Amino acid sequence: NAGVTQTPKFQVLKTGQSMTLQCAQDMNHNSMYWYRQDPGMGLRLIYYSASEGTTDKGEVPNGYNVSRLNKREFSLRLESAAPSQTSVYFCASSEQASGRSAQYFGPGTRLTVL
Amino acid sequence: AQTVTQSQPEMSVQEAETVTLSCTYDTSESDYYLFWYKQPPSRQMILVIRQEAYKQQNATENRFSVNFQKAAKSFSLKISDSQLGDAAMYFCAYRLIQGAQKLVFGQGTRLTINP
Repeated sequence: NAGVTQTPKFQVLKTGQSMTLQCAQDMNHNSMYWYRQDPGMGLRLIYYSASEGTTDKGEVPNGYNVSRLNKREFSLRLESAAPSQTSVYFCASSEQASGRSAQYFGPGTRLTVL
Repeated sequence: AQTVTQSQPEMSVQEAETVTLSCTYDTSESDYYLFWYKQPPSRQMILVIRQEAYKQQNATENRFSVNFQKAAKSFSLKISDSQLGDAAMYFCAYRLIQGAQKLVFGQGTRLTINP
């Protein structure tokens, strides 16, 4: 049981390049989330998927798109990377969309945009 | 809008001693959950403890316990018998029971354990 896995662990992009961050969970969770963490700050929600087939914007969605490929996988795409998107990105999952369900996090992807 | 504030950017404690990390939050809701997450140097976010707002009893998990004061909107974390492995960033987080799915995080407290 690997929990939540993310690929890649590190990535360097040039301004304007695109890339997709991959996330998968093997806990049969219904809900999945993408957060970003900037230096000295807590995590901020980018997008979430309450259940397979649905996605919704979070606090900071601009410049990102997501796809809930199936129950296990939830990807985050940067279409045209900008230096302001330099951050650490975390994927998380929870059993249900209700507040009691704790969110379990992946190890993070450190992204640098030059 | 809900906000979470951790007023201590850094804390340190001697190994085997007890330390308390502070957290306050602002909300107009009555039903919600509160969490403490630990982020070691590996960067992984690890759930430490959670508290349901409707429960008066404070949650405990082994050496970790909380002091939940709903009227004061305060949610502090107490770590007893501190160990070197407790060194990490600690984040307080809030989440509504229904509706919006996001966790609202505080800015974090960096905890150092002195041997």
